[in-house]
Amino acid sequence: DTAVSQTPKYLVTQMGNDKSIKCEQNLGHDTMYWYKQDSKKFLKIMFSYNNKELIINETVPNRFSPKSPDKAHLNLHINSLELGDSAVYFCASSQDLWGAYGYTFGSGTRLTVV
Amino acid sequence: QKEVEQDPGPLSVPEGAIVSLNCTYSNSAFQYFMWYRQYSRKGPELLMYTYSSGNKEDGRFTAQVDKSSKYISLFIRDSQPSDSATYLCAMSGGNAGGTSYGKLTFGQGTILTVHP
Repeated sequence: DTAVSQTPKYLVTQMGNDKSIKCEQNLGHDTMYWYKQDSKKFLKIMFSYNNKELIINETVPNRFSPKSPDKAHLNLHINSLELGDSAVYFCASSQDLWGAYGYTFGSGTRLTVV
Repeated sequence: QKEVEQDPGPLSVPEGAIVSLNCTYSNSAFQYFMWYRQYSRKGPELLMYTYSSGNKEDGRFTAQVDKSSKYISLFIRDSQPSDSATYLCAMSGGNAGGTSYGKLTFGQGTILTVHP
C-alpha cells in the first residue's frame, strides 16, 4: 500500500534509446509532479499535472514527454536518451494545485545512460 | 543568485547535540515553507511544514520562519544516529505564486551525520 510508487527503480540504457518511467499514487491527490535530482542532490521540477491537465512545464528538452491518463497516474517518456539525462527522477503528488500541504514523493528511478 | 540558498554542510555532530539547519531565499512570494529529510537512495520525506512566519514544533524538531529576513531554520534537539540524512528546505508561493502554482523550489541540501 505504497502511497506513490514508481517503476522501474533502476534503469540502465544506452544513448539514443527511448525509455518510460511510470508513476501511480493511491492518495487521491489532485496534482502530480516529476522532479529531477542531479548528482549533487539538487531537486528541480520538470512537470506538474492537475487532474490530467499540464500545469507546469519547466524548460525541459522536448525529448521528455509526460502523460497523465488519469489523476492517479503520471508517466514520463524520454526519447533519444543522452548521457546528461543520467539522474534520479522522482514522482510526487500533492493534495491540491498549490502543494500547500507538502508533497509525497516516490522512492525514485535511478536512470543511468551509458 | 539561486532563489533558495542552503548551508551546504556537511555537518557532523555527536549524538545528543542540537543541530541547526538554515536556508535563505530571495522570492518574497514564497509563503509555504517545508523541510524534507532524504535517506540515501530514498525519496524525500516531509518533516515539517509551515505557512508564513512563525515557529512550529513537532517532537524533537522545530521549524522557524522569518519572512522579514527571508530566513528559515530547522532545529533538531537530542540528535540521534537515525537522524543522519540529507535535509532539504523547500518553499512555494502557493496560490500567490501565479502560474508557478505548486512548484516547490528546493535548497541544495545539507548532509547531516550524527555519530554515536
